[in-house]
Amino acid sequence: GIQVEQSPPDLILQEGANSTLRCNFSDSVNNLQWFHQNPWGQLINLFYIPSGTKQNGRLSATTVATERYSLLYISSSQTTDSGVYFCAVERNDYKLSFGAGTTVTVRA
Amino acid sequence: NAGVTQTPKFQVLKTGQSMTLQCAQDMNHEYMSWYRQDPGMGLRLIHYSVGAGITDQGEVPNGYNVSRSTTEDFPLRLLSAAPSQTSVYFCASSYSPSYEQYFGPGTRLTVT
Repeated sequence: GIQVEQSPPDLILQEGANSTLRCNFSDSVNNLQWFHQNPWGQLINLFYIPSGTKQNGRLSATTVATERYSLLYISSSQTTDSGVYFCAVERNDYKLSFGAGTTVTVRA
Repeated sequence: NAGVTQTPKFQVLKTGQSMTLQCAQDMNHEYMSWYRQDPGMGLRLIHYSVGAGITDQGEVPNGYNVSRSTTEDFPLRLLSAAPSQTSVYFCASSYSPSYEQYFGPGTRLTVT
């Protein structure tokens, strides 16, 4: 199956800092999504972004499908940004494959 | 509009027992799926359904059964629980896997 690798595995930020999370995938994909899992376990969809760039407030994402990677940018981080960020891809086979996630800790 | 609901929130089973994890959605989504989340491994797809009466296996289907008799409900059955099935289970729904996925709150299952 398709391999999804996320880096770094852990990230510690001071409040107000910017950061970049990366997702590499091993094959062409039909769909790529970013999710945030908050410290209480709830999973929220951040972006549906199989290609191109999208922005939502302090978060933005870019997917370069031809080079098989996606980046998630967090600007001016806040403590509420803490949690685990997952990248997930789908190859038009109805199966969403998740990476292992990046654990982000934002300190006040 | 309750979104995706899962019951129970917590469950402890003894090895060999069976149980059903419930999942329901009220958004008229055709696509529903079950995942398990284990530390350091992200979420892994167990089973999915593209509509009532249609189910298929995901990445880790062994030891689990599903059925989809209505659009709203997608229960996950553990046939004979094993300690390796200790995990957090999430149900999700969407119009299709290419659309935004809505996740339930999860069920934390411990098998002793």
